[in-house]
Amino acid sequence: AQSVTQLDSHVSVSEGTPVLLRCNYSSSYSPSLFWYVQHPNKGLQLLLKYTSAATLVKGINGFEAEFKKSETSFHLTKPSAHMSDAAEYFCVVRPPLVGGYNKLIFGAGTRLAVHP
Amino acid sequence: DAGVTQSPTHLIKTRGQHVTLRCSPISGHKSVSWYQQVLGQGPQFIFQYYEKEERGRGNFPDRFSARQFPNYSSELNVNALLLGDSALYLCASSSGRMDRGPNTEAFFGQGTRLTVV
Repeated sequence: AQSVTQLDSHVSVSEGTPVLLRCNYSSSYSPSLFWYVQHPNKGLQLLLKYTSAATLVKGINGFEAEFKKSETSFHLTKPSAHMSDAAEYFCVVRPPLVGGYNKLIFGAGTRLAVHP
Repeated sequence: DAGVTQSPTHLIKTRGQHVTLRCSPISGHKSVSWYQQVLGQGPQFIFQYYEKEERGRGNFPDRFSARQFPNYSSELNVNALLLGDSALYLCASSSGRMDRGPNTEAFFGQGTRLTVV
């Protein structure tokens, strides 16, 4: 079965310091992996995606993530946090096609707080 | 271009009632998926529709049903509402079935906040 585990439910950083949001996945096959962000009262927005191309993936707003198969990890990083980065972040796995359809499997989320 | 639109944005219902949630995908998108997000948790997959046919169903009871119309908009119906159905219901649209390529992105609407009292 496919699953994702977000290792931290809450992360708090100071503005201008690095951000690290951790995600481990479980997949029998080579998965597609995503990070989505959800700001309060807004829908989910795709930050970046890994689809078996380059293992270091760059996304929007300065975020990037590195796919490490040996560690089954897909951690999200940003060199310098901004106040506007405060939001809920979801690590997502999309397993290979099964039965003619596909679906996204979300982690429980990590709430990022950014302090002045 | 308009993104994914969902209506209503908020809804309060009583236990045992029925509710219908609506979703309009991005123009040109033929696939619509529904997710339930309970407070404090990640979204859970409910249904995927493509070309008006159900293509996948998550682990939800038969009280949950959906359909997709010829214009690719979709409705999610929930019968006999329970308190546990209180959640944010998210609709996602994509250009096609995700098996057609790894780069098919799902675009989410802002959701419908359902409160069952």
